[in-house]
Amino acid sequence: GAGVSQTPSNKVTEKGKYVELRCDPISGHTALYWYRQSLGQGPEFLIYFQGTGAADDSGLPNDRFFAVRPEGSVSTLKIQRTERGDSAVYLCASSPMRGETQYFGPGTRLLVL
Amino acid sequence: ELKVEQNPLFLSMQEGKNYTIYCNYSTTSDRLYWYRQDPGKSLESLFVLLSNGAVKQEGRLMASLDTKARLSTLHITAAVHDLSATYFCAVDSGGGADGLTFGKGTHLIIQP
Repeated sequence: GAGVSQTPSNKVTEKGKYVELRCDPISGHTALYWYRQSLGQGPEFLIYFQGTGAADDSGLPNDRFFAVRPEGSVSTLKIQRTERGDSAVYLCASSPMRGETQYFGPGTRLLVL
Repeated sequence: ELKVEQNPLFLSMQEGKNYTIYCNYSTTSDRLYWYRQDPGKSLESLFVLLSNGAVKQEGRLMASLDTKARLSTLHITAAVHDLSATYFCAVDSGGGADGLTFGKGTHLIIQP
């Protein structure tokens, strides 16, 4: 079946702009996670959704970052007033239920100039 | 705060050799995962280890878990070039509600 998909695959923006990154989880997966991976590092947890609600947003670095999952399926990660330090690969993962194996999407490579 | 440490961070080895990657974590955890990442690609799930003494094998890779020592190992037997990748261990901090905490990864190069 279809895996986790993310769009766009690449995004180049200018410092101070707003960006939205989209994640389509595997159908039927209730748990959805966002991670950020910098070059040469492991992914860092940002936020976890169980259904429509953000069950844990402790990894969001500051209030410029926000994510939604209004219908319990597709999720959007929103970054306001982007900074050069936001440049990274943003990964989305989903799992059938909380605590089960997470399946990762291909990621969105964000470059802030 | 949960910390996950992998070693080595970089490993170059020859085909046919055996080697082990180590993953230490700092607090009690429910689950430990191993993932593989090829350059420019996303993460592929390899193993999930759920209990003390758990051992799982797939082809030339074998993973084990010692929860008392807070240690997992990923053993590579008779390495082949196709296993060249970055390997991450990741730990579930407990309760399943939080995201995974990843190690920095082991960049493995297997030379003919």
